[in-house]
Order: sequence, then structure tokens, then C-alpha cells
Amino acid sequence: GAGVSQSPRYKVAKRGQDVALRCDPISGHVSLFWYQQALGQGPEFLTYFQNEAQLDKSGLPSDRFFAERPEGSVSTLKIQRTQQEDSAVYLCASSPQSPNEKLFFGSGTQLSVL
Amino acid sequence: QKEVEQDPGPLSVPEGAIVSLNCTYSNSAFQYFMWYRQYSRKGPELLMYTYSSGNKEDGRFTAQVDKSSKYISLFIRDSQPSDSATYLCAMSDGDMRFGAGTRLTVKP
Repeated sequence: GAGVSQSPRYKVAKRGQDVALRCDPISGHVSLFWYQQALGQGPEFLTYFQNEAQLDKSGLPSDRFFAERPEGSVSTLKIQRTQQEDSAVYLCASSPQSPNEKLFFGSGTQLSVL
Repeated sequence: QKEVEQDPGPLSVPEGAIVSLNCTYSNSAFQYFMWYRQYSRKGPELLMYTYSSGNKEDGRFTAQVDKSSKYISLFIRDSQPSDSATYLCAMSDGDMRFGAGTRLTVKP
């Protein structure tokens, strides 16, 4: 596809459930980012991959959050034992290798934890 | 204090008005300055990208960066209803930080 694709678009989870969010970046983009966007706020950095290497995971809020990109293309963000405070839009972005500042975002996955 | 401060608005203007959006920041190491536009239920899309200080113009949009004042602006001339969106400033020193976004409505 032409853009960054994320699935599912909406996810409702019961507190304590595990969820997996998928991101298909733009073909050939080396860098991939995950962001969390709360209602009325800007995106907050979660983690960054260059190819399959996770170079920065300093934004992951707890060890319940895990991300992977095993073959350097598709990425999955997994949240274990979801909590209500995890409710947010999770955005994926990809970028040509340089500069990383020009990010191309997907439409996000809106996660609601009940 | 947040690294990037942005007035969340909302801002409502009539069609054809000049819109001024701005952000302030505290980290003098920021070198890259961006404006993203985000429509409802969509991801942000890059609108303007500037390295260091100065002005950049692209059609109806002008971005200004004043590093001495730690202040960036986005001007929209001849605003259109299709410009109604949330505008996010972003800046980077290798790590990107976003403002909270200003919600803009342009009324026909």
C-alpha cells in the first residue's frame, strides 16, 4: 500500500486482557516508531526500531508493553494485562532512514480498556 | 514544565482569515522543527519541516523558527474550511517531542 497501515482500527478489551496491535510501514522505510496519543494530547514516544533492531524503548510505560519487528518490516505492539490507563490511540510511524524527523503516520489503533 | 508548550485552543476563524499558531519550547538543543496536521480519527501528516532558524513558505503556509526566543509559528493565509484540523508542533534533537496540538475550525 501507499501509506502506513495499522490494524485493528478499534479494539475494546476487558481489563486484564492481552492485546496485539499491528503496523505495516511504508515499503522500504527503515525506521519505525510507536507513539501513544491520549485524548486532547500530542503523541508520546514509546519505542523506535531501525530495521529489526529496537534501538530505543525508553518510552514504554511499563514492562507490560512489548514491541517487536522481527523481519524489519511489520511490527507488533503487545500490551499484557491491560489497564484502564492504557486506553489511548496507538500510532505507528515510519520514516526513510534519514532524517527521522519526517514521519509518516498510520491512522492509529484506538484502544479502549473497560 | 513541559518541553514543548502549545495552546490547545480551540481556535475558530472565518474563511479567508489569516491564522497564527505557535509553540514555545525549553530545550535549546532542538534543531529540527515540524508542523503536523491531524484530521479527526487520522494520524498526523507532515505539513512543514524546518532545520534551525528562519522562515519557510509552502503555498498558503509559512513556518517561522526563532531559536533565540525558543518560539515557532505557523501562519495559514486565506484559510479554508478544509484547514479545520488539529495542528501539532514537533521538534527534535534526535528525540522528537510533540506539542499538545491546537484545534482549528475555519467557518464558511
